[in-house]
Amino acid sequence: GQQVMQIPQYQHVQEGEDFTTYCNSSTTLSNIQWYKQRPGGHPVFLIQLVKSGEVKKQKRLTFQFGEAKKNSSLHITATQTTDVGTYFCAGQDSARQLTFGSGTQLTVLP
Amino acid sequence: DGGITQSPKYLFRKEGQNVTLSCEQNLNHDAMYWYRQDPGQGLRLIYYSQIVNDFQKGDIAEGYSVSREKKESFPLTVTSAQKNPTAFYLCASSMGGDEQFFGPGTRLTVL
Repeated sequence: GQQVMQIPQYQHVQEGEDFTTYCNSSTTLSNIQWYKQRPGGHPVFLIQLVKSGEVKKQKRLTFQFGEAKKNSSLHITATQTTDVGTYFCAGQDSARQLTFGSGTQLTVLP
Repeated sequence: DGGITQSPKYLFRKEGQNVTLSCEQNLNHDAMYWYRQDPGQGLRLIYYSQIVNDFQKGDIAEGYSVSREKKESFPLTVTSAQKNPTAFYLCASSMGGDEQFFGPGTRLTVL
């Protein structure tokens, strides 16, 4: 079955530093979604990427979908304490099955 | 106010007991899902339903059962056959396989 790997598992940054998490799928994806889960909370949808090579921005967050539609990344510029949480990618295949990566837990030190 | 509700928020179970977790949505979504999350790990799919009166097993269905008698409701039963049920359980819904909306979750602890 489809596997979605995400690295790193943990990342500690000083406030103001940048942060990047990477996602790789074992198969070509129809789309990739990104979610954020705050400590003690539930995942909240951030964005969906559909097109090969697509880049989308949300304020300080930049999302990329690889040309082969098998990898993706989330980059946060100048992290803030409000960025703390776990970021999950989720790849959707042609059968519309969504597989979540294991997540990257971000800690921002003030 | 549309959304997904899960109850209870916390649940304690004795070994050998079956327990049922509730999930209700008023978003008029066709698809509903149950995930299990263990500390520091991702979400693993237990069961999903794309339409009323139909559901499919996910990656870790053993020891769990579900029903989908109404569009709004998708309860999950954790049976005594589930050997390690302590976890955070998340219910989600979506329309047409697009973005998933999650409920607040239920934390199940086996005593």
